[in-house]
Formats: sequence, structure tokens, C-alpha cells
Amino acid sequence: NAGVTQTPKFRILKIGQSMTLQCTQDMNHNYMYWYRQDPGMGLKLIYYSVGAGITDKGEVPNGYNVSRSTTEDFPLRLELAAPSQTSVYFCASSQGPGLYGYTFGSGTRLTVV
Amino acid sequence: GIQVEQSPPDLILQEGANSTLRCNFSDSVNNLQWFHQNPWGQLINLFYIPSGTKQNGRLSATTVATERYSLLYISSSQTTDSGVYFCRIDGAGSYQLTFGKGTKLSVIP
Repeated sequence: NAGVTQTPKFRILKIGQSMTLQCTQDMNHNYMYWYRQDPGMGLKLIYYSVGAGITDKGEVPNGYNVSRSTTEDFPLRLELAAPSQTSVYFCASSQGPGLYGYTFGSGTRLTVV
Repeated sequence: GIQVEQSPPDLILQEGANSTLRCNFSDSVNNLQWFHQNPWGQLINLFYIPSGTKQNGRLSATTVATERYSLLYISSSQTTDSGVYFCRIDGAGSYQLTFGKGTKLSVIP
């Protein structure tokens, strides 16, 4: 049981490049989330999904896209990377809404230069 | 939205000392959780505690929902306790979780 797996762990992008952050969970959780954490700040919700085929915006969705074609996978797409997207990204999943049984991935450190 | 304030922002402890971290929130909440972010950036769930008191080893937490605060107690601190402790709350009917800015704890030998 691997929990929530995020890849890559580190990445450096040039301004304007695109990339996809991968997130996979093997706990059959319906709810999945993407957060970003800026230095000295708490986590901010980017997008979330309540089940396969259903996604919705969180607090800071601009510059990102997501898809949820399967229960297991919830990739986060950056289309045109900007320095403001330099952050640590966490994927999480849960059995239910709110704080019910959250499991976090180990994070992806992204630097845009 | 709900405001979450954590104090102190920074804390330095000698190994073996005890500490209390505080989380204040501005409105009624459905849920509250404490996390530990270790120096490698991993987020570890500590307590899910919308009310009452829970204990896990050297750590315990108390939430007094009616007075809108939660306390995290660390006893006999160890260097591995270093990192940032986040309080996070869940407002009613929302998937948007509001985090405090965290308390950075440094435990020195």
C-alpha cells in the first residue's frame, strides 16, 4: 500500500515551459486535492476532485489545469510556467470531504527560472 | 473566510523541554487538524481534533471549539520534533481548508 505517490520530487522549469505533476493513490479514495505551499505560508488549494470525471477550482487555480480520468490518478498541468509558480506542490487524497482521513504525498519542489 | 492564527511563529527549545503551540480561529469550524512538516518538507498528520483532547505518545492536543482555539502540547521534546507545525481548519460545507502560517520549532541538543 503505497498511499499517495507524487512525481517528480524536484523540477526546474524555464519560463514558458509546460509540465505535468503526477499524483497517484492506491487507497480507492474518491477525493483528491492539489495544494501549493509557498515559503512561510500554509497550503493553498489549487484544484480538487470528488471523483473520477469531476474536478473543481480551489483558491488559486489560475495557471493550472487538472483532469481525473480514473479514481487513482489526478495530474496537475502547468501550461506556461511563470516564476510565481515556484513553490512546493502537495497532492492529497481522502475518503471523504473536509479533514476525513487525509493522506498527503511527499511533495514536488518546482522552481521556475 | 475564516481566519486562522498560530502562535508563536518561531520557537527554539532545548532538547527535553516542553512546549505549547496555539491555534486561534475566527469562526465555528467543522474540523481541525494539526500537521508536522519535517525539515524535508513532508507533511505528517498529527491529530484530527475538532473538539476535546487526544494524546499520542509525547504529543497531545486540545480543542475548545466554543472558545475557538486549539493547543498542541509537546513534552520532552526531541530534535526530531523540529519543523513547522500547522493548524488547519475546515469550514462548514467547504472543501477549502484554511491553514495557519505555522509555528517553526527548532529543538537543539
